[in-house]
Amino acid sequence: GDSVTQMEGPVTLSEEAFLTINCTYTATGYPSLFWYVQYPGEGLQLLLKATKADDKGSNKGFEATYRKETTSFHLEKGSVQVSDSAVYFCALSDRTYNTDKLIFGTGTRLQVFP
Amino acid sequence: KAGVTQTPRYLIKTRGQQVTLSCSPISGHRSVSWYQQTPGQGLQFLFEYFSETQRNKGNFPGRFSGRQFSNSRSEMNVSTLELGDSALYLCASSLDLAGETQYFGPGTRLLVL
Repeated sequence: GDSVTQMEGPVTLSEEAFLTINCTYTATGYPSLFWYVQYPGEGLQLLLKATKADDKGSNKGFEATYRKETTSFHLEKGSVQVSDSAVYFCALSDRTYNTDKLIFGTGTRLQVFP
Repeated sequence: KAGVTQTPRYLIKTRGQQVTLSCSPISGHRSVSWYQQTPGQGLQFLFEYFSETQRNKGNFPGRFSGRQFSNSRSEMNVSTLELGDSALYLCASSLDLAGETQYFGPGTRLLVL
């Protein structure tokens, strides 16, 4: 079945450091890929998405490129801030099956220190 | 446009009781999905509803059930609560079932004692 694998956390960085959170996926159909972020005590917020190969999603300085050849969707940010501290989830939705059901990775906690 | 709302936000129940959680989707959204989030199992899909019909169901026991009303609002019910049902229950809505983006509510945190 479809699955998403994320790098283990926590990821600990100093402010203004470069961020990469790795995400790879397995899917039998044509998935859309997403990054969601969860701040303490809150629900999930959509950070960015890409719906087909080579698409780049971007938002708030975060970027991720849909790489079909490596089945990856790594999240990057050039300069992190303390306010970026949260848990980040990579997810896929395989629209081949007429569903919006999301399959999530395990989440990666990011801690940014001043 | 108002976001997804969930009620109640917090709930404490005892083993054996039942609970009903409510979700109001974003206006115009017709698809509602439910997820369970726990530290051990992460985010797991419960069910998906569209036009009052359950379209997909995750791998949960029959104690977990749901429904969707004609105004797209949804409820989920858990009967005979177990300690392991303690979790954050998240509702998400989307326009339809065409690979659309899901938008999440703040969740209902359920504690079973």
